[in-house]
Amino acid sequence: DAGITQSPRHKVTETGTPVTLRCHQTENHRYMYWYRQDPGHGLRLIHYSYGVKDTDKGEVSDGYSVSRSKTEDFLLTLESATSSQTSVYFCAISEVHVNSPLHFGNGTRLTVT
Amino acid sequence: DQQVKQNSPSLSVQEGRISILNCDYTNSMFDYFLWYKKYPAEGPTFLISISSIKDKNEDGRFTVFLNKSAKHLSLHIVPSQPGDSAVYFCAASSSSSGNTPLVFGKGTRLSVIA
Repeated sequence: DAGITQSPRHKVTETGTPVTLRCHQTENHRYMYWYRQDPGHGLRLIHYSYGVKDTDKGEVSDGYSVSRSKTEDFLLTLESATSSQTSVYFCAISEVHVNSPLHFGNGTRLTVT
Repeated sequence: DQQVKQNSPSLSVQEGRISILNCDYTNSMFDYFLWYKKYPAEGPTFLISISSIKDKNEDGRFTVFLNKSAKHLSLHIVPSQPGDSAVYFCAASSSSSGNTPLVFGKGTRLSVIA
């Protein structure tokens, strides 16, 4: 698992409530990513971080915000959860940004009812 | 517009035979390609990669072939084993496009039948 812990592993929440997912790494890697996996869509990038307090949007960033106050933690927040955000969320890390594999956590399954 | 395409959602192969998974890409700036394997309830795990300066990379039973002119890569698994049954994702990136992270295909589910 390359020292990546995602919490919680499962969460059920109601539409309109805020939700925060946490990714914690012990590898001291600079780059961290949030992807979501949905049937028929594969893995799509939500946001990523290239350093403490440095973040950028990915392909499907609407409705999500992120924060990285420490190298080891990358938080994904759904300010007001919607049913379309029901998905499996994966955090990934890498030492360098290009031409290097990402290493993924085991995911958080989020259900918005 | 999908930049990385895996046109076969699923593939079934007999144990011991060759599995060939295909991937096409549209962005000519991509110069690094990877394959990931994913089991249910786990995160994707890195399998093998190839740089655009090569046309083949081999690691044990896994070989990735790159055809730059056709913008096509393939993953060969020989011989296939039941434990290879998983979803395989193709991914690509460009070292010249600044901060663009990996772009993934939709995945192909491989079933290896004993």
